[in-house]
Amino acid sequence: KQEVTQIPAALSVPEGENLVLNCSFTDSAIYNLQWFRQDPGKGLTSLLLIQSSQREQTSGRLNASLDKSSGRSTLYIAASQPGDSATYLCAVYRWSSGGSQGNLIFGKGTKLSVKP
Amino acid sequence: DAGVIQSPRHEVTEMGQEVTLRCKPISGHDYLFWYRQTMMRGLELLIYFNNNVPIDDSGMPEDRFSAKMPNASFSTLKIQPSEPRDSAVYFCASSLGISGRVVTQYFGPGTRLLVL
Repeated sequence: KQEVTQIPAALSVPEGENLVLNCSFTDSAIYNLQWFRQDPGKGLTSLLLIQSSQREQTSGRLNASLDKSSGRSTLYIAASQPGDSATYLCAVYRWSSGGSQGNLIFGKGTKLSVKP
Repeated sequence: DAGVIQSPRHEVTEMGQEVTLRCKPISGHDYLFWYRQTMMRGLELLIYFNNNVPIDDSGMPEDRFSAKMPNASFSTLKIQPSEPRDSAVYFCASSLGISGRVVTQYFGPGTRLLVL
């Protein structure tokens, strides 16, 4: 059974710091891995999607890496800002046997607070 | 496009009552997902549809939960009878399958359900 773990559960940093959020998964047979952002009382917004054949994706100050063999992904945020404060969730899309589609398995997230 | 639309945004009900949550996916998307989010268990997939057909309902907790998708632009998640442990935020998401595989999912704002 695929399990996704995110460490730490919460993180508080001063504005301007570079930081890394960690995600690990138990089954390397994934199709892709996604990082989402969730603001309080709101839905999830997809930040980055890494296909299983890729090793990283970048969008602005965000960089996500994927190491399937070790079952790990990291989300790097450069020059953090108070507006980056949110919960960041990692999710893996797994293969499904029998021809049916798989689904996303989510970690519980890391709650990030960037203090001015 | 207005994105994924969910209603109601908040629902407070008493134990034993029927609850119906509604979702309108993004026009043209052929996948629709229902998730439940709690502090204890995080974000869990309940059921998903492809072209209005339920594909995987293994995440539906028990027979009190049912979901329908009568057409491509509308889905409901019903709980009957509701119990206090059903209190959670329920998210709907939609996606467009490419080459038979799902890519980024777009989430609605969620329905916050409180069962007293």
